[in-house]
Amino acid sequence: RKEVEQDPGPFNVPEGATVAFNCTYSNSASQSFFWYRQDCRKEPKLLMSVYSSGNEDGRFTAQLNRASQYISLLIRDSKLSDSATYLCVVNRGNAGNNRKLIWGLGTSLAVNP
Amino acid sequence: DAMVIQNPRYQVTQFGKPVTLSCSQTLNHNVMYWYQQKSSQAPKLLFHYYDKDFNNEADTPDNFQSRRPNTSFCFLDIRSPGLGDAAMYLCATSGSGAGYGYTFGSGTRLTVV
Repeated sequence: RKEVEQDPGPFNVPEGATVAFNCTYSNSASQSFFWYRQDCRKEPKLLMSVYSSGNEDGRFTAQLNRASQYISLLIRDSKLSDSATYLCVVNRGNAGNNRKLIWGLGTSLAVNP
Repeated sequence: DAMVIQNPRYQVTQFGKPVTLSCSQTLNHNVMYWYQQKSSQAPKLLFHYYDKDFNNEADTPDNFQSRRPNTSFCFLDIRSPGLGDAAMYLCATSGSGAGYGYTFGSGTRLTVV
């Protein structure tokens, strides 16, 4: 079992749809959590950090459930430009030299006109 | 704008011929990372520098070396590239706090012929 698991998709949704991605992690000592977005043949870009209380950035909402070791990303009112791969990333270590980011394989999203 | 810059964007090298990829940053981050990413796979950490401290991942082949002459620059040396080393190589930086996300450069796509 991988340390960070995501549904690979692809998710095909129409414009304006709401889509949710899930991610589970196996190491209960994980410290911090992120969602990255990666466009085809481009570098990953930080979409948002994920906080215990949940956080929202415009159309994007991230949730963390430490008890279930589960992270989610909700995208409302999908745009064509949201088409990309969404990577769930977990920091296994604490600060400084002990940081260890563990990457999921990503979930592919295609938003269709 | 503060950023992470990788050169070149595309590199073609001959089988067995040493190649060096470069990364520079203007973010003044103390941690720099080199990742290898192959198609449809998550980024794979090769090594990282925490300030001047070099940290090699256990499964990084000896064929891969790195240098960090100062805070701003980091180099990836592939001593004898094989066909299996063809990939996107991503440089990333971060601060040292647990909550920091990574900032990636645009990557260097390496082709081995």
